[in-house]
Parts: sequence; C-alpha cells; structure tokens
Amino acid sequence: AQKITQTQPGMFVQEKEAVTLDCTYDTSDQSYGLFWYKQPSSGEMIFLIYQGSYDEQNATEGRYSLNFQKARKSANLVISASQLGDSAMYFCAMREGYAFNGGSQGNLIFGKGTKLSVKP
Amino acid sequence: GAVVSQHPSWVICKSGTSVKIECRSLDFQATTMFWYRQFPKQSLMLMATSNEGSKATYEQGVEKDKFLINHASLTLSTLTVTSAHPEDSSFYICSARETGGTYNEQFFGPGTRLTVL
Repeated sequence: AQKITQTQPGMFVQEKEAVTLDCTYDTSDQSYGLFWYKQPSSGEMIFLIYQGSYDEQNATEGRYSLNFQKARKSANLVISASQLGDSAMYFCAMREGYAFNGGSQGNLIFGKGTKLSVKP
Repeated sequence: GAVVSQHPSWVICKSGTSVKIECRSLDFQATTMFWYRQFPKQSLMLMATSNEGSKATYEQGVEKDKFLINHASLTLSTLTVTSAHPEDSSFYICSARETGGTYNEQFFGPGTRLTVL
C-alpha cells in the first residue's frame, strides 16, 4: 500500500487565487512528521512546511498552510494568493517514527507529486 | 536554512565508465545523508542511507556494488555509479540531516543529472 497518496497529477490555478493540493498518508505509527516540498524545473527540492503528528494547530509558513486532519489522515497544502513563481511540482512526504527528543529515525517517503501551473 | 551542495550538477558519460557524485553539507555537520533517484516526471525514490563512518544501508532492489556510497566525513558523502549504463541515466539528489538537529531538518542538494550514452 502506498504510504503517501497525491491524487492530483496536475492542477491549474489563476494567479492571485488560492489552491489546495491534496495529500493522504498511511501509517500505524503514532509519531510521524509530514512535509511539503516544492520542486521547480531546476530540480532542487525546496522545503515549504512541516507538521508533526502531535501538533494541535495547523502549520503555517507565509502563504503556505497545511490543513492537517489527523482522523482522516490527510495533510493538504493550501497556497494562498498564487504567484507565477509557484508553478512547480509539489511533493508531500512523511517521516515515521521519530522520537520526541528530536532524534530522527525514519526516512522521508514521498508521494508522486502534483504539478501546479499558475495562469496569469 | 542550511546549504547542501552537489558536484557535478550534470554529467554525461559513456556506457561502462564510472561516475562519482559528491554531496557536501556546507555549514553544518551531517551524520546521516540520503541518496535519492528521480526519473523524469516521477517521485524521489530513496536509494540508500549513508551514515558517517559506517556502511551505507541500501533500499531493496538497489545494487550496492553498482552504487557505491562513501560517507567519509561529517560533511561529505559520495555516490559512485560504477560501470554506468543508459538505464542509470537519472536525476540523483542527496539530502543531509544535521547532527543533533530537530526532526524536521533535512536539507536537499540541487541534484545531479546523469546521462549515460
């Protein structure tokens, strides 16, 4: 079974509008972390936002917010006020089994990605 | 955030040759580094986990004799693709986790595009 599922291969959004990129995950661990990365055509992986499984509030970073619904095992990325420079691949990822003291255990498992295109 | 560099950024080689890719953490120490492979329009697939001073841990299906990994210092890991063939052509990305860092600190290099003719 896939650990990370991104059901939208491609998305279009009008500039200045908000867009939601879907991500669902599958884990039996109680402790895990969820990440979103942006990969422009240049190939670099740019970290956007992080949500810990015990974080009660949704993570926010500037125009990025993570809509964390633990019971549904979803971690959707919301980009507000889209910009042309937001056009890129977006990957959702999960790391299982890290310890509270910060010791990282698991590896990042990536979804298949969503290609976002922002229209002027 | 911390910076991870990769060298070279791209390489073209003939079939049968070996290619070495370097991954460096520039301003932090990385006990653990990861090597990923990404085919066009696909996701990142973890190839191996590299720990400083010990042997790398390879994912299932990855040939350790073909993809040699050496993590000789806290700031450098190398991936050598031995006897490269056209099917090894891919985008290789390394990632470094800061020693003593928090659980969300994993930084990626810019990637190396390998083309085997």
